Amino acid sequence: NAGVTQTPKFRVLKTGQSMTLLCAQDMNHEYMYWYRQDPGMGLRLIHYSVGEGTTAKGEVPDGYNVSRLKKQNFLLGLESAAPSQTSVYFCASSSQGAGSETQYFGPGTRLLVL
Amino acid sequence: DAKTTQPPSMDCAEGRAANLPCNHSTISGNEYVYWYRQIHSQGPQYIIHGLKNNETNEMASLIITEDRKSSTLILPHATLRDTAVYYCIVRITDSWGKFQFGAGTQVVVTP
Repeated sequence: NAGVTQTPKFRVLKTGQSMTLLCAQDMNHEYMYWYRQDPGMGLRLIHYSVGEGTTAKGEVPDGYNVSRLKKQNFLLGLESAAPSQTSVYFCASSSQGAGSETQYFGPGTRLLVL
Repeated sequence: DAKTTQPPSMDCAEGRAANLPCNHSTISGNEYVYWYRQIHSQGPQYIIHGLKNNETNEMASLIITEDRKSSTLILPHATLRDTAVYYCIVRITDSWGKFQFGAGTQVVVTP
């Protein structure tokens, strides 16, 4: 049981390049989330998904797209990377969305956009 | 949305109890209080959560005041591995799944 895994662990992009971050969970969780964390700050929610085939915007969705084609995977895409997207990206999953539930986080992906 | 206020930092001696305060004066009756921590460069780790009653697990204890306007996370015997940023979060019930992480409290455990 690996929990939540993220690939890649680290990536350097040039401005304007595109990339996809992959999040996978093996806990059969319905809910999945993408956060970003900038230096010295807390996490901010980018997008989330309440089930396979569904996605929704979080606090800071601009410049990102997501897809949840399979229940266990949640992809975060950057179509045209910008230096402002330099950050650490965390994926999380949970078994239910409302009330008392726990989110489990992945180890993070460090992205540097030059 | 209920917001939380935490001290930016605190130190704790190894082996002593660490008491981390959190104010959430606008909390609603059906909102839970969660605690997570983030050890440097790692993903956040769940610690404990509660609604009204005090809670205890293998990691920590959570004490919630009777009016629910504040809470305290207690690490009973702090170790150097407990050095981390600790986040107190009030669950936003009208947007399921969303946790709002603030700046947290940087806890440094010293030998």
